[in-house]
Amino acid sequence: EAAVTQSPRNKVAVTGGKVTLSCNQTNNHNNMYWYRQDTGHGLRLIHYSYGAGSTEKGDIPDGYKASRPSQENFSLILELATPSQTSVYFCASGDWGGQNTLYFGAGTRLSVL
Amino acid sequence: GDSVTQTEGPVTVSESESLIINCTYSATSIAYPNLFWYVRYPGEGLQLLLKVITAGQKGSSRGFEATYNKETTSFHLQKASVQESDSAVYYCALGEVNTGNYKYVFGAGTRLKVIA
Repeated sequence: EAAVTQSPRNKVAVTGGKVTLSCNQTNNHNNMYWYRQDTGHGLRLIHYSYGAGSTEKGDIPDGYKASRPSQENFSLILELATPSQTSVYFCASGDWGGQNTLYFGAGTRLSVL
Repeated sequence: GDSVTQTEGPVTVSESESLIINCTYSATSIAYPNLFWYVRYPGEGLQLLLKVITAGQKGSSRGFEATYNKETTSFHLQKASVQESDSAVYYCALGEVNTGNYKYVFGAGTRLKVIA
């Protein structure tokens, strides 16, 4: 069974603080993605990666950095968190050219106060 | 740019009643994108419900079905008789190859509540 695990599941941060959201996948997929979900919006792509060592900007990358140290792990980093980054964040893995299906983690609810 | 528009929720349906969640798409860079429905149950991540990659075809899963209509650029989700366990958030999405990568565009999601 494909598995994507996110941590933490819930996080409260202070404005200006640093936040790291972690994602681990056991699917051996090359591609990994970070999305955020806000009420009234579809999932919006923040960063993605084609494999270890690669990170690419998605549609809304400002204020976020990403790190892919290995095939299995993909982190999203908020260096200076702001209240506008309060959201639910989803990590996903997938391989295109095959099933083109995304496998999602359960999400991280982040509140920046 | 590409976009996906779906029924604004929440949608409340009585158990055993029929359901339709509308989805229309706009794909500017490709004529026939792949189309997906994902579902998110409480406390879980999104999971694939069904997908169709060929225009005119129908996909089905767990009693749900959706037909890829290229004329109306629609991919409505239907179920003849819903159950309480179908309560979840449903996302319509399109996927396409864009600048050498496979890109997904998601709708805002439709929250479905099924009442006994």
